[in-house]
Amino acid sequence: SQQGEEDPQALSIQEGENATMNCSYKTSINNLQWYRQNSGRGLVHLILIRSNEREKHSGRLRVTLDTSKKSSSLLITASRAADTASYFCATAVKTSYDKVIFGPGTSLSVIP
Amino acid sequence: ETGVTQTPRHLVMGMTNKKSLKCEQHLGHNAMYWYKQSAKKPLELMFVYNFKEQTENNSVPSRFSPECPNSSHLFLHLHTLQPEDSALYLCASGQSHEQYFGPGTRLTVT
Repeated sequence: SQQGEEDPQALSIQEGENATMNCSYKTSINNLQWYRQNSGRGLVHLILIRSNEREKHSGRLRVTLDTSKKSSSLLITASRAADTASYFCATAVKTSYDKVIFGPGTSLSVIP
Repeated sequence: ETGVTQTPRHLVMGMTNKKSLKCEQHLGHNAMYWYKQSAKKPLELMFVYNFKEQTENNSVPSRFSPECPNSSHLFLHLHTLQPEDSALYLCASGQSHEQYFGPGTRLTVT
């Protein structure tokens, strides 16, 4: 199975609520990233957290990383309809190049 | 805009056609990637080029042929594709793990 797996697969919330998505992975990583994808478009990089960091913030985004549990979470606070998208976690491992492995994603719907 | 462009944005081709997808990055990155994204499947890494050299070919059928003439341009040549090859093909460039994606080419094989 894959290196990174998001949970839940789909999430539907009301505008203004917080959305939490989780990611679990299997092997050691250099860093973990979260990306957003609007329907039929390319992925947009949101935030990167290094393996020696535990928490990181960017605007309404908060990411945590627990390397002992091999898990991460993405929290979007005060959600907006424009946050409706698929969210992917991606784990970076060191090989001969900077290899990034994507999970299957969480589909988030924010209802106005 | 992420600094990565892809053309065409949409492509419909028959199984006997030959076509090419183009990707261009203006970010000065060393690595470029092709991904395939099919409905309800995780993003599949196809090819990686690092400093114009192919460093990964993820068991991709030979009907997909990549070309990287310089560090700013990446092509994916397509020939005798199958209907199951219909998908969104995404190009990305990157440095130090962070990747920047183009908008993708929506490919339909008829």
